[in-house]
Amino acid sequence: EVQLLESGGGLVQPGGSLRLSCAASGFTFTNYAMTWVRQAPGKGLEWVSAISDSAHNTYYADSVKGRFTISRDNTKNTLFFQMNNLRADDTAVYYCVKEKGSGSHPQYFDYWGQGALVTVSS
Amino acid sequence: QSALTQPASVSGSPGQSITISCTGTNSDVGSYNLVSWYQHHPGKAPKVMIYDVSKRPSGVSSRFSASKSGNTASLTISGLQAEDEADYYCCSYAGGTTYWLFGGGTKLTVL
Repeated sequence: EVQLLESGGGLVQPGGSLRLSCAASGFTFTNYAMTWVRQAPGKGLEWVSAISDSAHNTYYADSVKGRFTISRDNTKNTLFFQMNNLRADDTAVYYCVKEKGSGSHPQYFDYWGQGALVTVSS
Repeated sequence: QSALTQPASVSGSPGQSITISCTGTNSDVGSYNLVSWYQHHPGKAPKVMIYDVSKRPSGVSSRFSASKSGNTASLTISGLQAEDEADYYCCSYAGGTTYWLFGGGTKLTVL
């Protein structure tokens, strides 16, 4: 059974930093691209970042580019999301998402975690 | 790039059919057959219902179908059931630096 377990969410002040982790199990982690999708309170889903299976390629939405960094440790089956210079509009539930493909050929998102809440407020 | 356009809400009675539209541009929906649809019950993890425009993953009811014409994709749910009440999101590959785009979401109410 595929499981994606996010951790690291919480309350942080504007300008602060937070690092999300996503522990993956139930599939061969090294074979698949991974993605972070967020949902702000009362809003829809927003794709924010993706990383290929080998970590050679990373992608970011304009809204987070230059502030957030996606990475992965394929030896520990873990996905990371380093979020710096956080703003109030970064407040959201952040979902760790497995892509169907490796990243070389985009496909779709086949498994989602339960999400981690990040609140940016003073 | 702007989100794909979906109606904010749709409703239907049990047993009826409803259709949710998802309008993009010729840079995303119109250019790639990589449209997927996700069902999201609040507080739970989203679930893929359709991928590659019209394909159903194993385990998804045949009551869910989808298609695409030009820059607009559509999801149809037939034989509405109470458990179908949820938020539905379309998503399209957009390539380049945009990569993936979601729709704004549609709240389905089963009356």
